[in-house]
Amino acid sequence: QVQLVQSGAEMKKPGASVKVSCKASGYTFSAFYIHWIRQAPGQGLEYMGWINPNSGVTNFPQRFQGRVTMTRDTSITTAFMELRNLTSDDTAMYYCSRTRSRNGWFEYWGQGSLVAVSS
Amino acid sequence: QSVLTQPPSASGTPGQRVTISCSGSSTNIGSNNVHWYQHLPGAAPRLLMFHNDQRPSGVPGRFSGSKSGTSASLAISGLQSEDEADYYCAAWDESLDLSVFGTGTKVTVL
Repeated sequence: QVQLVQSGAEMKKPGASVKVSCKASGYTFSAFYIHWIRQAPGQGLEYMGWINPNSGVTNFPQRFQGRVTMTRDTSITTAFMELRNLTSDDTAMYYCSRTRSRNGWFEYWGQGSLVAVSS
Repeated sequence: QSVLTQPPSASGTPGQRVTISCSGSSTNIGSNNVHWYQHLPGAAPRLLMFHNDQRPSGVPGRFSGSKSGTSASLAISGLQSEDEADYYCAAWDESLDLSVFGTGTKVTVL
């Protein structure tokens, strides 16, 4: 069965970086896009961008440009999302999800990775 | 940050019908399908509706969706206590080449 298993919770200081992983299993990793979505405490879902695991091509909202990197390692069927220069506003639950096409719907989700940023 | 607009809250008594709206633009809802997600505290979001009005396997028939122009809506008929959750619409935005989410609606069962 399709599974997306994410890395564990992280506590970071402001200005630091965090790298969250999303291990995929149960399907052909390179055939599905991986997306990242986050939810800060008391806030709604925020879309962070996508990566094509086959080509490595990515796209993310302007507000994350220069601060986020999305990569993948096809040998271990894992996608990564790195966010740099963290602030308290980045404290959130981070989710990965997959779609057949980049404009598809999010049917399968990871369990979420909590990132807490505090001095 | 959200491109799609939803009412912040909706409520009803058990058995009632509740409708949630989602308003977008020509570059997202106007030209692409709308999907809906249910989000319960402590859990990952759950796909509730895809392609405007298609229910995934396991989603009860009391949930229905529709789309017209640059707006969409999700209806819950026969509201039940377990339907108390946050609901989000989402769509692909052609101009951004990204998905966009709605602002979210908290449904309360009175």
